Amino acid sequence: DIVMTQSPDSLAVSLGERATINCKSSQSVLRSSNNKNYLAWYQQKPGQPPKVLFYWASTRESGVPDRFSATGSGTDFTLTISSLQAEDVAIYYCQQYYGTLWTFGQGTKVEIK
Amino acid sequence: QVQLQESGPGLVKPSQTVSLTCSVSGDSISSINYYWSWVRQTAGKRLECIGRIYASGSTNYNPTLKSRVTISADKTKNQFSLRLNSVTAADTAVYYCARARADCFDGLCYTWFDSWGQGTLVTVSS
Repeated sequence: DIVMTQSPDSLAVSLGERATINCKSSQSVLRSSNNKNYLAWYQQKPGQPPKVLFYWASTRESGVPDRFSATGSGTDFTLTISSLQAEDVAIYYCQQYYGTLWTFGQGTKVEIK
Repeated sequence: QVQLQESGPGLVKPSQTVSLTCSVSGDSISSINYYWSWVRQTAGKRLECIGRIYASGSTNYNPTLKSRVTISADKTKNQFSLRLNSVTAADTAVYYCARARADCFDGLCYTWFDSWGQGTLVTVSS
């Protein structure tokens, strides 16, 4: 199984400041034959289901604000919120869909400092 | 705009079977572009994929749950269902149904979740 590990588990950021979340996979999720990284990012606000932000590691889902960005390849990925807004308080998850068992990271809780 | 809604009992006794149904509106579960999936979330907020079903009726399951899980579909009602048998307290979780967008390559389909139901809490307790 591919294990997804996020860091940090939680972070508190001031409004307007940058928040950075890391995700590391135990093996590469990059398929060389099509040069795609099989990784998605989700945001889960309190009391709501997860919502996809990015897929293929960096393809933004329609409607996602451009203060959110995602980068990375192979085993190391990053989700960045360039200027944190109050509505961004949530738990963020990465998920690989490379293997036959699709696994999520443990989540990173983002709060306002 | 697709909408998914889970339904089923909130409380199940240990060793029994939990059956959940997901009603889909705004899309057809016969669509060839999507898989229809179940994901659960434990109290610790961990997310776990349970399995998925395609329009053809083919299914894929989490190997750790495969022996206890059945996912089926009723196209006439535009619903799909989850049955999980021999439940224990460890199966207590919020169960979500979700639509998974499919990208197929070399005969295999890779999916991420683009729409979710609101979730239903299933508690396993005597």
